[in-house]
Amino acid sequence: DVKVTQSSRYLVKRTGEKVFLECVQDMDHENMFWYRQDPGLGLRLIYFSYDVKMKEKGDIPEGYSVSREKKERFSLILESASTNQTSMYLCASRRGLQETQYFGPGTRLLVL
Amino acid sequence: GDSVTQMEGPVTLSEEAFLTINCTYTATGYPSLFWYVQYPGEGLQLLLKATKADDKGSNKGFEATYRKETTSFHLEKGSVQVSDSAVYFCALSDRSGNQFYFGTGTSLTVIP
Repeated sequence: DVKVTQSSRYLVKRTGEKVFLECVQDMDHENMFWYRQDPGLGLRLIYFSYDVKMKEKGDIPEGYSVSREKKERFSLILESASTNQTSMYLCASRRGLQETQYFGPGTRLLVL
Repeated sequence: GDSVTQMEGPVTLSEEAFLTINCTYTATGYPSLFWYVQYPGEGLQLLLKATKADDKGSNKGFEATYRKETTSFHLEKGSVQVSDSAVYFCALSDRSGNQFYFGTGTSLTVIP
Protein backbone atom coordinates (compact mmCIF):
# COMPACT_ATOMS: atom_id res chain seq x y z
CA ASP A 1 0.00 0.00 0.00
CA VAL A 2 1.10 3.50 -0.77
CA LYS A 3 1.68 5.51 2.32
CA VAL A 4 1.75 9.28 2.43
CA THR A 5 2.42 10.75 5.84
CA GLN A 6 2.25 14.31 7.06
CA SER A 7 4.24 15.54 10.01
CA SER A 8 1.34 16.89 12.05
CA ARG A 9 -2.41 16.33 12.17
CA TYR A 10 -3.07 19.58 14.01
CA LEU A 11 -0.97 22.71 14.28
CA VAL A 12 -1.53 26.06 15.96
CA LYS A 13 0.73 28.98 15.03
CA ARG A 14 0.78 32.70 15.54
CA THR A 15 0.61 35.36 12.84
CA GLY A 16 4.05 36.07 11.42
CA GLU A 17 5.57 32.74 12.37
CA LYS A 18 7.40 30.63 9.81
CA VAL A 19 5.61 27.30 9.40
CA PHE A 20 6.91 24.06 7.92
CA LEU A 21 4.57 21.29 6.83
CA GLU A 22 6.31 18.06 5.93
CA CYS A 23 5.10 15.29 3.67
CA VAL A 24 6.78 11.94 3.08
CA GLN A 25 5.82 9.15 0.68
CA ASP A 26 7.29 5.68 0.70
CA MET A 27 6.56 4.49 -2.85
CA ASP A 28 9.27 6.22 -4.86
CA HIS A 29 6.68 8.44 -6.55
CA GLU A 30 7.92 11.07 -8.98
CA ASN A 31 5.23 13.68 -8.45
CA MET A 32 4.12 15.34 -5.25
CA PHE A 33 1.45 17.96 -4.52
CA TRP A 34 0.28 20.36 -1.86
CA TYR A 35 -3.39 21.39 -1.68
CA ARG A 36 -5.43 23.36 0.73
CA GLN A 37 -9.01 22.42 1.46
CA ASP A 38 -11.57 24.99 2.53
CA PRO A 39 -15.34 24.63 2.98
CA GLY A 40 -17.20 25.42 -0.22
CA LEU A 41 -14.02 25.71 -2.22
CA GLY A 42 -12.93 22.11 -2.45
CA LEU A 43 -9.26 21.43 -3.00
CA ARG A 44 -7.01 24.06 -4.49
CA LEU A 45 -3.51 23.30 -5.70
CA ILE A 46 -0.75 25.35 -4.07
CA TYR A 47 2.41 23.82 -5.56
CA PHE A 48 3.49 20.60 -7.17
CA SER A 49 6.76 18.93 -7.98
CA TYR A 50 7.52 16.58 -10.83
CA ASP A 51 10.89 15.53 -9.54
CA VAL A 52 13.57 16.31 -7.02
CA LYS A 53 14.43 19.99 -6.90
CA MET A 54 11.67 20.80 -9.36
CA LYS A 55 8.59 22.79 -8.45
CA GLU A 56 5.70 24.39 -10.25
CA LYS A 57 3.16 26.90 -9.00
CA GLY A 58 -0.39 25.77 -8.72
CA ASP A 59 -3.49 27.92 -8.55
CA ILE A 60 -2.80 29.69 -5.25
CA PRO A 61 0.95 29.86 -4.57
CA GLU A 62 0.98 33.32 -2.98
CA GLY A 63 2.30 33.26 0.56
CA TYR A 64 3.75 29.76 0.20
CA SER A 65 6.98 28.18 -0.93
CA VAL A 66 8.07 24.56 -1.25
CA SER A 67 11.18 22.45 -1.07
CA ARG A 68 11.94 19.05 -2.53
CA GLU A 69 15.51 18.07 -1.76
CA LYS A 70 14.80 14.34 -1.67
CA LYS A 71 12.39 12.33 -3.77
CA GLU A 72 10.34 11.10 -0.85
CA ARG A 73 9.90 14.42 0.92
CA PHE A 74 7.99 17.54 -0.10
CA SER A 75 7.82 20.46 2.30
CA LEU A 76 5.39 23.36 2.30
CA ILE A 77 6.62 26.57 3.90
CA LEU A 78 4.58 29.50 5.08
CA GLU A 79 7.20 32.24 5.31
CA SER A 80 5.04 34.47 7.51
CA ALA A 81 1.80 32.84 8.53
CA SER A 82 -1.39 34.86 8.29
CA THR A 83 -4.87 34.16 9.59
CA ASN A 84 -6.20 33.60 6.07
CA GLN A 85 -3.89 30.60 5.82
CA THR A 86 -5.90 28.78 8.45
CA SER A 87 -6.98 25.70 6.55
CA MET A 88 -6.64 21.97 6.04
CA TYR A 89 -3.49 21.15 4.07
CA LEU A 90 -3.33 17.95 2.07
CA CYS A 91 -0.28 16.39 0.52
CA ALA A 92 -0.51 13.91 -2.35
CA SER A 93 1.85 11.87 -4.48
CA ARG A 94 1.61 9.85 -7.68
CA ARG A 95 3.92 7.63 -9.65
CA GLY A 96 3.72 9.68 -12.83
CA LEU A 97 1.49 11.48 -15.28
CA GLN A 98 -2.01 9.99 -15.62
CA GLU A 99 -1.51 7.94 -12.47
CA THR A 100 -3.72 8.07 -9.39
CA GLN A 101 -2.92 10.57 -6.67
CA TYR A 102 -2.57 9.21 -3.14
CA PHE A 103 -3.29 11.54 -0.26
CA GLY A 104 -1.95 11.97 3.23
CA PRO A 105 -4.28 12.39 6.23
CA GLY A 106 -4.02 16.18 6.18
CA THR A 107 -2.75 18.84 8.56
CA ARG A 108 -5.28 21.17 10.08
CA LEU A 109 -3.51 24.49 10.62
CA LEU A 110 -4.88 27.26 12.78
CA VAL A 111 -3.15 30.63 12.59
CA LEU A 112 -4.02 32.95 15.46
CA GLY B 1 -10.17 26.07 -18.90
CA ASP B 2 -10.95 22.63 -17.57
CA SER B 3 -13.27 22.36 -14.61
CA VAL B 4 -15.49 20.04 -12.61
CA THR B 5 -18.93 20.84 -11.24
CA GLN B 6 -20.62 18.58 -8.75
CA MET B 7 -23.93 18.82 -6.99
CA GLU B 8 -23.93 20.76 -3.80
CA GLY B 9 -24.78 19.10 -0.55
CA PRO B 10 -25.30 18.24 2.06
CA VAL B 11 -27.15 15.08 1.12
CA THR B 12 -28.95 13.08 3.79
CA LEU B 13 -30.29 9.62 3.03
CA SER B 14 -31.75 6.76 4.96
CA GLU B 15 -29.87 3.49 5.05
CA GLU B 16 -30.48 1.33 1.94
CA ALA B 17 -31.58 4.31 -0.14
CA PHE B 18 -30.29 4.87 -3.66
CA LEU B 19 -27.54 7.44 -4.07
CA THR B 20 -26.71 9.67 -7.00
CA ILE B 21 -24.17 12.47 -6.83
CA ASN B 22 -23.99 14.40 -10.06
CA CYS B 23 -20.72 15.47 -11.63
CA THR B 24 -20.19 17.23 -14.94
CA TYR B 25 -16.97 18.39 -16.44
CA THR B 26 -15.57 20.81 -18.97
CA ALA B 27 -12.38 19.80 -20.70
CA THR B 28 -10.52 20.04 -23.95
CA GLY B 29 -9.49 16.66 -25.17
CA TYR B 30 -10.15 13.46 -23.26
CA PRO B 31 -9.53 13.69 -19.55
CA SER B 32 -9.41 10.96 -16.94
CA LEU B 33 -12.15 11.16 -14.32
CA PHE B 34 -12.06 10.20 -10.66
CA TRP B 35 -14.19 9.99 -7.56
CA TYR B 36 -12.44 10.41 -4.24
CA VAL B 37 -13.94 9.93 -0.78
CA GLN B 38 -12.93 11.65 2.43
CA TYR B 39 -14.05 10.07 5.69
CA PRO B 40 -14.21 12.30 8.77
CA GLY B 41 -10.78 13.33 9.97
CA GLU B 42 -8.95 11.64 7.13
CA GLY B 43 -7.36 12.48 3.80
CA LEU B 44 -8.84 11.67 0.42
CA GLN B 45 -8.94 8.12 -0.87
CA LEU B 46 -9.48 7.10 -4.45
CA LEU B 47 -12.90 5.48 -4.81
CA LEU B 48 -12.96 4.78 -8.54
CA LYS B 49 -11.77 6.11 -11.85
CA ALA B 50 -12.35 5.96 -15.60
CA THR B 51 -9.86 6.89 -18.25
CA LYS B 52 -11.87 6.89 -21.46
CA ALA B 53 -15.40 7.37 -22.73
CA ASP B 54 -17.93 4.65 -21.79
CA ASP B 55 -15.61 3.21 -19.15
CA LYS B 56 -17.34 2.30 -15.91
CA GLY B 57 -15.43 2.61 -12.69
CA SER B 58 -16.66 0.61 -9.71
CA ASN B 59 -15.61 -0.06 -6.14
CA LYS B 60 -17.35 -0.95 -2.86
CA GLY B 61 -20.76 -0.94 -4.56
CA PHE B 62 -20.24 2.51 -6.07
CA GLU B 63 -20.27 3.01 -9.83
CA ALA B 64 -19.72 5.85 -12.27
CA THR B 65 -19.76 5.82 -16.06
CA TYR B 66 -17.71 8.21 -18.19
CA ARG B 67 -20.27 9.80 -20.52
CA LYS B 68 -18.62 11.89 -23.19
CA GLU B 69 -21.89 12.91 -24.85
CA THR B 70 -23.20 14.49 -21.65
CA THR B 71 -19.75 15.30 -20.18
CA SER B 72 -20.80 13.60 -16.97
CA PHE B 73 -19.45 11.13 -14.41
CA HIS B 74 -22.27 10.67 -11.91
CA LEU B 75 -21.62 8.56 -8.83
CA GLU B 76 -24.25 5.96 -7.91
CA LYS B 77 -24.81 3.33 -5.28
CA GLY B 78 -27.85 1.13 -5.05
CA SER B 79 -28.05 0.81 -1.27
CA VAL B 80 -26.10 3.13 0.99
CA GLN B 81 -24.90 2.26 4.47
CA VAL B 82 -24.18 4.41 7.49
CA SER B 83 -20.48 3.77 6.88
CA ASP B 84 -20.75 5.57 3.52
CA SER B 85 -21.17 8.88 5.33
CA ALA B 86 -18.33 11.01 4.01
CA VAL B 87 -17.49 13.82 1.60
CA TYR B 88 -17.24 12.80 -2.05
CA PHE B 89 -15.11 14.67 -4.58
CA CYS B 90 -15.28 14.42 -8.34
CA ALA B 91 -11.97 15.14 -10.07
CA LEU B 92 -10.51 15.44 -13.52
CA SER B 93 -7.01 14.98 -14.85
CA ASP B 94 -6.25 16.37 -18.27
CA ARG B 95 -4.65 14.19 -20.90
CA SER B 96 -1.18 15.48 -20.20
CA GLY B 97 -1.57 14.75 -16.52
CA ASN B 98 -0.26 18.20 -15.75
CA GLN B 99 -3.55 19.58 -14.53
CA PHE B 100 -5.80 18.12 -11.89
CA TYR B 101 -9.11 19.68 -10.92
CA PHE B 102 -11.39 18.84 -8.01
CA GLY B 103 -15.03 19.62 -7.48
CA THR B 104 -16.10 21.34 -4.28
CA GLY B 105 -17.18 18.12 -2.62
CA THR B 106 -20.58 16.72 -1.63
CA SER B 107 -21.20 15.77 1.97
CA LEU B 108 -23.27 12.61 2.42
CA THR B 109 -24.87 11.58 5.71
CA VAL B 110 -26.62 8.24 5.92
CA ILE B 111 -28.97 7.79 8.84
CA PRO B 112 -30.05 4.42 10.24
